[in-house]
Amino acid sequence: KAGVTQTPRYLIKTRGQQVTLSCSPISGHRSVSWYQQTPGQGLQFLFEYFSETQRNKGNFPGRFSGRQFSNSRSEMNVSTLELGDSALYLCASRISTGGSYEQYFGPGTRLTVT
Amino acid sequence: DAKTTQPNSMESNEEEPVHLPCNHSTISGTDYIHWYRQLPSQGPEYVIHGLTSNVNNRMASLAIAEDRKSSTLILHRATLRDAAVYYCILRANGGTSYGKLTFGQGTILTVHP
Repeated sequence: KAGVTQTPRYLIKTRGQQVTLSCSPISGHRSVSWYQQTPGQGLQFLFEYFSETQRNKGNFPGRFSGRQFSNSRSEMNVSTLELGDSALYLCASRISTGGSYEQYFGPGTRLTVT
Repeated sequence: DAKTTQPNSMESNEEEPVHLPCNHSTISGTDYIHWYRQLPSQGPEYVIHGLTSNVNNRMASLAIAEDRKSSTLILHRATLRDAAVYYCILRANGGTSYGKLTFGQGTILTVHP
């Protein structure tokens, strides 16, 4: 089974621009969560989507948004980029049935804002 | 979310056992204890989880204290590929918490050949 894939792997943007990151979960997984990883703050939860609905949200400003499609693929969008948004963005998928707790992470998208 | 406390770093020699401790004194009765690890330049990887009883899988063992205020991840024979940051995470059971993991700073494990 293919793992979680994220595109693009690397991205350079300028302050004020917006960016869209994509995540394809493992086949059959219906839940997708997004995390931001920075050296200063570590790994922080952004949000989770299940069946195209946002189920949980972390403490991030409204510039961070996401969505999930009917095939469980997910995108996250960051508008009006700031230098502090430079980070590794990770998505993770989970089966979300039968009490499964394991999350499977993708390799991440490295976003650099200049 | 209840918090966990882990040592910042630990060192081990190859082929020796490694015991990674985690304190979680404010754990609630329904919190699960999860361990993930993150190898360099990769996303986190699930290692093991448990509630009350000790757990074993192909990667590691998880020993949970009787009062559940602490736990220990045991790597039976460390290899160089086990060098990673290990995260001990408490996850509330049920509801919308399933998809949310609250990561702490973790323990950086260095394995010497």
